[in-house]
Amino acid sequence: GIQVEQSPPDLILQEGANSTLRCNFSDSVNNLQWFHQNPWGQLINLFYIPSGTKQNGRLSATTVATERYSLLYISSSQTTDSGVYFCAVASGGSNYKLTFGKGTLLTVNP
Amino acid sequence: GAVVSQHPSRVICKSGTSVKIECRSLDFQATTMFWYRQFPKQSLMLMATSNEGSKATYEQGVEKDKFLINHASLTLSTLTVTSAHPEDSSFYICSAVGGTFGSGTRLTVV
Repeated sequence: GIQVEQSPPDLILQEGANSTLRCNFSDSVNNLQWFHQNPWGQLINLFYIPSGTKQNGRLSATTVATERYSLLYISSSQTTDSGVYFCAVASGGSNYKLTFGKGTLLTVNP
Repeated sequence: GAVVSQHPSRVICKSGTSVKIECRSLDFQATTMFWYRQFPKQSLMLMATSNEGSKATYEQGVEKDKFLINHASLTLSTLTVTSAHPEDSSFYICSAVGGTFGSGTRLTVV
C-alpha cells in the first residue's frame, strides 16, 4: 500500500515562531488532508489539498502532486497550536479511505 | 458543515465483556463510514470500511469476529468490540465520506 512519511517527528517552538511540516507519499493520490489532533484526541481537518496551495489564517498548505509531497506552514505560532499534526492520503477507490502518516508532535512554548 | 457524532467518548469495561461504539451522521446520509484505531502515541490505522446495508470490509489483520460492524441505516454505524481484552484498549474513531471525523472513543479494558 501507499507509504506516508512525515517530518520532523517532533518540533519545539517558541510562541511567535514559524514552522514547516513535511509529508512525503509514495504513490499518486486522490486526496490529501492535514489534520490537527488536540490533546483530547479530536481530529480537526485543516486542509483538503490533493494539489495546489491553500491558506486559512496563519496556516497554509502546498501539495506538489507530481513530486509527491505536501507542506504545512504555521506562521506566528501560538500555544494553542500545540498537538499532533497528521498528513493522510487516499489512493485509488474512495477519496476518504485514508492512510495516515505517523504525525509531527508540535509543542509551542510561551 | 457535516457533523459525525460518536458515543461514548470514554468507556471502561471488564475483560471479557463487549462494548458498542456508535457513530451517527447528524445532518447528512452516510452510506460509507470508516473505523480507525489509534494506540497511544501512534498513528491512526484503518480497521474497516462500513457500508450501509452490506457487510463491512476489514483491513488485513483485523479480526472481523472480534470487531463487529453494523451499518443498518444511512445515519448510524456501530462498532462492537466483543470479548474485550486489555490489548484492545485504544482510541477508536470513525469518519464519513467528506473527511469528517467523530470525536473518538477511548476504550480501557481492565
